[in-house]
Amino acid sequence: DVKVTQSSRYLVKRTGEKVFLECVQDMDHENMFWYRQDPGLGLRLIYFSYDVKMKEKGDIPEGYSVSREKKERFSLILESASTNQTSMYLCASRDRPGTSGRPHSDTDTQYFGPGTRLTVL
Amino acid sequence: QKEVEQNSGPLSVPEGAIASLNCTYSDRVSQSFFWYRQYSGKSPELIMSIYSNGDKEDGRFTAQLNKASQYVSLLIRDSQPSDSATYLCAELTGGTSYGKLTFGQGTILTVHP
Repeated sequence: DVKVTQSSRYLVKRTGEKVFLECVQDMDHENMFWYRQDPGLGLRLIYFSYDVKMKEKGDIPEGYSVSREKKERFSLILESASTNQTSMYLCASRDRPGTSGRPHSDTDTQYFGPGTRLTVL
Repeated sequence: QKEVEQNSGPLSVPEGAIASLNCTYSDRVSQSFFWYRQYSGKSPELIMSIYSNGDKEDGRFTAQLNKASQYVSLLIRDSQPSDSATYLCAELTGGTSYGKLTFGQGTILTVHP
């Protein structure tokens, strides 16, 4: 059973604070993702990583950075939190597609963590 | 331009009816599509994935893919109140090795007794 955990379910921070959101997966997945979800805007990709120490910008990377020092852990960092970063943050992981030997398989599936609801005051 | 568009909803159906959720996409090379269900306050969970043209059935759920029309749908037969949730359509873009999912904005489904 795939398990993706996030460090906090709820977090309240002040404007200007540095915020760390941690995500850990226990399935040896290579790909990991950070999304934010806002009403009416759906899920938007912030950053993703397809291997240790590798990172790629998603659709809305501004104001965020990430760190992936170990395969199982992917951290999202808000260098200086602002009120417009109040949101639900979701982490996901996925095995690298094709590892089963088939080009399309259920290893394409992304598994989500429970989410962190961040409020920036 | 949004890459994945879902019928806006909200959608309300009576218990036992068929719920039809629709999604269009703009990237002609996309080959993998996913339907996720998200209950209020919870994270998305995968219901179905589909890669080939045609229908794919899993219990009460049927996913349909039409690549020529760039259209993917999810049918829920014998809808139950427990199916009430937000349904998210997603396409895999950027290739199979390092691709990422692009999500639609979601459709809220309510199944009333």
